[in-house]
Amino acid sequence: SAVISQKPSRDICQRGTSLTIQCQVDSQVTMMFWYRQQPGQSLTLIATANQGSEATYESGFVIDKFPISRPNLTFSTLTVSNMSPEDSSIYLCSVEGRGLNYGYTFGSGTRLTVV
Amino acid sequence: QQQVKQSPQSLIVQKGGISIINCAYENTAFDYFPWYQQFPGKGPALLIAIRPDVSEKKEGRFTISFNKSAKQFSLHIMDSQPGDSATYFCAARRETSGSRLTFGEGTQLTVNP
Repeated sequence: SAVISQKPSRDICQRGTSLTIQCQVDSQVTMMFWYRQQPGQSLTLIATANQGSEATYESGFVIDKFPISRPNLTFSTLTVSNMSPEDSSIYLCSVEGRGLNYGYTFGSGTRLTVV
Repeated sequence: QQQVKQSPQSLIVQKGGISIINCAYENTAFDYFPWYQQFPGKGPALLIAIRPDVSEKKEGRFTISFNKSAKQFSLHIMDSQPGDSATYFCAARRETSGSRLTFGEGTQLTVNP
């Protein structure tokens, strides 16, 4: 399965600032997914990022707040813009694997605290 | 709309016991049902998965049972160990929807020694 490196692993940010999270995959993948996981909660899909096209956002998430870049088949970034304490959460990237189980691999996540 | 409902929210089992977590789904277009295990500070890791043409799949101590007519599937952990203590998520994927996963709410499993 793919190996994902996600940076930073955690950060504490001031209200009103922005944070860019990086996701690097060790193999080429078509789709990359960005999730948010609030403490003790399940995972909520923010958007799907295909290389060479605009990201597709889920209901409740907008590009101005969560701009995504996907410059090539192994890399993506998610920016959390104009942060507020409500954005405090764990952000995870994920890729779809190939093989018998069609497994999805997740990064270890970015734990964001907004103060 | 919550498309995958998971229960229980938390589960405490004695070492050596059987842990059972259940999920129910609504969308009959789902074609892939994985279970993920998540330890604190880590991303979810694929544990085991099943497709709807199979009623059961076993990998070591972990078994998925799938009931297509009832639209339910469950995870059984046999001989549960303290190291199994984690949060477990069921999920479902509808292949035509761009390969996105829809997750259940999660079950926090504690296995007491």
